[in-house]
Amino acid sequence: EAGVTQSPTHLIKTRGQQATLRCSPISGHTSVYWYQQALGLGLQFLLWYDEGEERNRGNFPPRFSGRQFPNYSSELNVNALELEDSALYLCASSLGSGGQETQYFGPGTRLLVL
Amino acid sequence: QKEVEQDPGPLSVPEGAIVSLNCTYSNSAFQYFMWYRQYSRKGPELLMYTYSSGNKEDGRFTAQVDKSSKYISLFIRDSQPSDSATYLCAMRSNRGSTLGRLYFGRGTQLTVWP
Repeated sequence: EAGVTQSPTHLIKTRGQQATLRCSPISGHTSVYWYQQALGLGLQFLLWYDEGEERNRGNFPPRFSGRQFPNYSSELNVNALELEDSALYLCASSLGSGGQETQYFGPGTRLLVL
Repeated sequence: QKEVEQDPGPLSVPEGAIVSLNCTYSNSAFQYFMWYRQYSRKGPELLMYTYSSGNKEDGRFTAQVDKSSKYISLFIRDSQPSDSATYLCAMRSNRGSTLGRLYFGRGTQLTVWP
């Protein structure tokens, strides 16, 4: 069974640009979660999507947004990039919609903002 | 104060040693506790999952939770070079406002040398 996949693996942008990161969940999983892992920091919760709706959001500014498509894949958009947005962005998926299920992580997209 | 504290190490031990990894937390609402392992350039993978206080054993790994002290541990027996990775503790509550959200420690980098 294929795990969570993310694309691209690496992304280089300049300050002020927009970045789009993509995630495909494990087959059968309906929930997708996004986390930011900045250097030296733990994973910080960004967003949770389930059945196409945003269910919860972490303490990040509105320029971090996303969506979930009918096939349960998801996109994270970061607008007006800042240098401190450089980080590994991890996507996770889970079975079920309660927000309490085990989260399985993908390999991440490494974003570098110059 | 960060909600989850974890000593980032690095921790270096010889093969065969017993490894002890720890996290403390401040939010008494946390009821579910996890340990993830993250190899370099990979996403975190779930190692252990425990509910409330007590011990759980799985092969060479033992997870302990002491809710009265707000302290969790992961023990690795007979450590192997293949255990070299970053170990992340994570936890969550059942409260509606935090559903879907895992709270992570910064991770402890472990090296097991032959």
